[in-house]
Amino acid sequence: GENVEQHPSTLSVQEGDSAVIKCTYSDSASNYFPWYKQELGKRPQLIIDIRSNVGEKKDQRIAVTLNKTAKHFSLHITETQPEDSAVYFCAASITRNTGFQKLVFGTGTRLLVSP
Amino acid sequence: EAGVAQSPRYKIIEKRQSVAFWCNPISGHATLYWYQQILGQGPKLLIQFQNNGVVDDSQLPKDRFSAERLKGVDSTLKIQPAKLEDSAVYLCASSLVGQGLDTGELFFGEGSRLTVL
Repeated sequence: GENVEQHPSTLSVQEGDSAVIKCTYSDSASNYFPWYKQELGKRPQLIIDIRSNVGEKKDQRIAVTLNKTAKHFSLHITETQPEDSAVYFCAASITRNTGFQKLVFGTGTRLLVSP
Repeated sequence: EAGVAQSPRYKIIEKRQSVAFWCNPISGHATLYWYQQILGQGPKLLIQFQNNGVVDDSQLPKDRFSAERLKGVDSTLKIQPAKLEDSAVYLCASSLVGQGLDTGELFFGEGSRLTVL
């Protein structure tokens, strides 16, 4: 199936706290999992991605973990700052029988970081 | 490097009218995508082109939506006739990708916001 579930839909944290967003995918063949950040009125932009041959990837204050067995992957943001406030989308790849992939996006998580 | 260009940024039409959106991808990107993003939802793929060929249009409402990428560069997405439920942001994206490879990073345009009254 082509389904990516994302939770929570909204997340409010205090500046300096950590934020965790979780996604579940349905296609066991999915092998590419990017995260996009979309600020209000702006285009989605890639912030981090992970491929299925690794379990964790970190880039400064953000990290992504992948559990292939459970078909879960999560975004972790530490030491949150007000500029982290945005909508975050997870996505999972679907490989067609033609060999081309497409991305299926989650429904998004609105993160609000209060000073 | 220039990003993905889209126009118009905003369009307001009445139902049953037609509208067209234009996209110019990043130079050298073979793959072009049109996504529909309804308020509060994630982007939904409408159509994917590899050069000037269609890779996937399974979620394109073909009775009213059409898209083309005749020379493998620019693309247009047309809606005719529009319905109220077509109100959304239409995002164009491009990527460097080939058959057998994962999509890699998608570079999105600013989007075209459509309001159907």
